[in-house]
Parts: sequence; structure tokens; C-alpha cells
Amino acid sequence: SQKIEQNSEALNIQEGKTATLTCNYTNYSPAYLQWYRQDPGRGPVFLLLIRENEKEKRKERLKVTFDTTLKQSLFHITASQPADSATYLCAEGSNFGNEKLTFGTGTRLTIIP
Amino acid sequence: GAGVSQSPSNKVTEKGKDVELRCDPISGHTALYWYRQRLGQGLEFLIYFQGNSAPDKSGLPSDRFSAERTGESVSTLTIQRTQQEDSAVYLCASSLGSLNTEAFFGQGTRLTVV
Repeated sequence: SQKIEQNSEALNIQEGKTATLTCNYTNYSPAYLQWYRQDPGRGPVFLLLIRENEKEKRKERLKVTFDTTLKQSLFHITASQPADSATYLCAEGSNFGNEKLTFGTGTRLTIIP
Repeated sequence: GAGVSQSPSNKVTEKGKDVELRCDPISGHTALYWYRQRLGQGLEFLIYFQGNSAPDKSGLPSDRFSAERTGESVSTLTIQRTQQEDSAVYLCASSLGSLNTEAFFGQGTRLTVV
């Protein structure tokens, strides 16, 4: 069965630097990957979606890539700020006739002032 | 309402009792998901609805767990004979139900079994 792995449980980055988070999948290529942000005590909030035929997607300081050869998605936050500190989750959806969304375990990002 | 609403926000129950958790999705969203999140852990898939049908119930941990959805709207997740390991935040999300659309999450119900 498909597994979604986010390699780092926690990541500390200096303010102003680029934070890069990794999401790997093990089997079939998902139809799309989504990235969410979760703050303590809150539900996840959608950030970006990238389809399997797209290599890169951007939104303000956020960039997501999708490499079907490496079976990997990278999530970048440029010019990071302390307010970016949160847990970031990737999720995969596959086109097998249903809309099940499977999440990774998340990476807790801390931006150090 | 404007977003996904879950009730109650907090529930403390005694071991062995049944609990019912409610989710009101965004109007018009055909897909609805239930996830469980234990403290410091990721999201564990429980069940997914497309309309009122549940194509995938594979995540339900045991036969003590059940869920239903009516009117392509409200969903209830029922846990019978609760156990301490059921303590977690139960999150509900809804989406338009087609591929490539984002899921909107509620704030969750924090369940504590004592």
C-alpha cells in the first residue's frame, strides 16, 4: 500500500533563510500532492496543491516541486519568518475512483529569530 | 456556516460509554473525511464519504467505530464502549469531491476517555 513519509520530525531554520521540507511516497505516483499547515490546537489549513504532470508550483514565499522519478515533493519557504513556525503536512490523493486523502506524519518547523 | 463545524469541541467520557461526534461540512461539499490525531502524531485516516456513501472504511480501528452521513451533509462518528486508547483529537474535513481540490478542516473534537 502507499506510504507517505516526511523525513524530518523537526526542523530548525534561522530567520531569513529558506526552509526546505521533504515528502516521499513509496509506491504508485499520486495524482496530486497537497501541503497543509497545522498550528497547535487547530485543524490543518491548505497551502498548495501540485499535480503529477506539474513540476513546480508557487504561491508568494512558498514553492512546491514534484519529482516523479525521485518519488518526492519538496516544500520551500523562502525568507522564512518566526510566524512560519508550525507543523507542515503533505497529503497524497490518487485517482483510483475515490477521493481518499492520505497524510504524512508532518514536520515541525521552527524559525529561529 | 462558512467553514466546517465540529461539535462538541471537547468531550470527556468514562471508559465503556458511547460517544457521538458531529461534523457539519461546508454546504455543497460532497466529500467528507474523518481523521484521528493522537497527541504529537500525524493524521490517521478513519473513513471517507462521497455523498452519503462510504467507499473507504478501511481506517476504522475496530467494530466499535462507525460513521454515517445523511442528506449529503451532516456526519456523525460514533465510538461505542470507549477505551482509553480512543483519546485523541478527531478531525473532520470536507471538499468539493473532485480531484485536485483542497480539503477544509474543522477545529476538531478533543476526546478524553477517563
